[in-house]
Amino acid sequence: DQQVKQNSPSLSVQEGRISILNCDYTNSMFDYFLWYKKYPAEGPTFLISISSIKDKNEDGRFTVFLNKSAKHLSLHIVPSQPGDSAVYFCAAYISNFGNEKLTFGTGTRLTIIP
Amino acid sequence: NAGVTQTPKFQVLKTGQSMTLQCAQDMNHEYMSWYRQDPGMGLRLIHYSVGAGITDQGEVPNGYNVSRSTTEDFPLRLLSAAPSQTSVYFCASSYSGRDEKLFFGSGTQLSVL
Repeated sequence: DQQVKQNSPSLSVQEGRISILNCDYTNSMFDYFLWYKKYPAEGPTFLISISSIKDKNEDGRFTVFLNKSAKHLSLHIVPSQPGDSAVYFCAAYISNFGNEKLTFGTGTRLTIIP
Repeated sequence: NAGVTQTPKFQVLKTGQSMTLQCAQDMNHEYMSWYRQDPGMGLRLIHYSVGAGITDQGEVPNGYNVSRSTTEDFPLRLLSAAPSQTSVYFCASSYSGRDEKLFFGSGTQLSVL
């Protein structure tokens, strides 16, 4: 049972435009959400996170939005750059349980077209 | 500062062979873990450790063994390799189990024939 779902395996966006990556979750106990970015032949790297007490968190070109009622979060990248081409993983956990309960989505491959 | 180092990067095994995937971190992190990444499955937790001498099972522990004798090292042992263990394996660490920022190694591509 996939508790964190990324329904779009891939996404292509023109350079300079907005990239929107989506993630849905089913476990209402999740209260901390993260995005990781992964380049080929490298391990994932932490990108941005959001706590369930917020509905938005920004870090430069990256913004994560959380809609708790819809159990949905999204990552916005504005403007998109060629270096953003990577696989993006959404992840979630229950903060009382810590990292051992971190659940990842299946990933979305983002390709930025020059 | 090397971060999280995994060896080897690539490995081919025959069914039934055993091997150890090595993981070392130099950040003095208490929490270390092993994930496997399979197509369409995301990253799934195999085993984790919250400190030297303490390990526990994750989501997919069968066929794997771990130990944590030092803070720095967290090897993953495949006891008798099976084709279903063909995957990319990632080791990760963080300051504590409640730290969102997992640092990942670059992975080990394992093929079991």
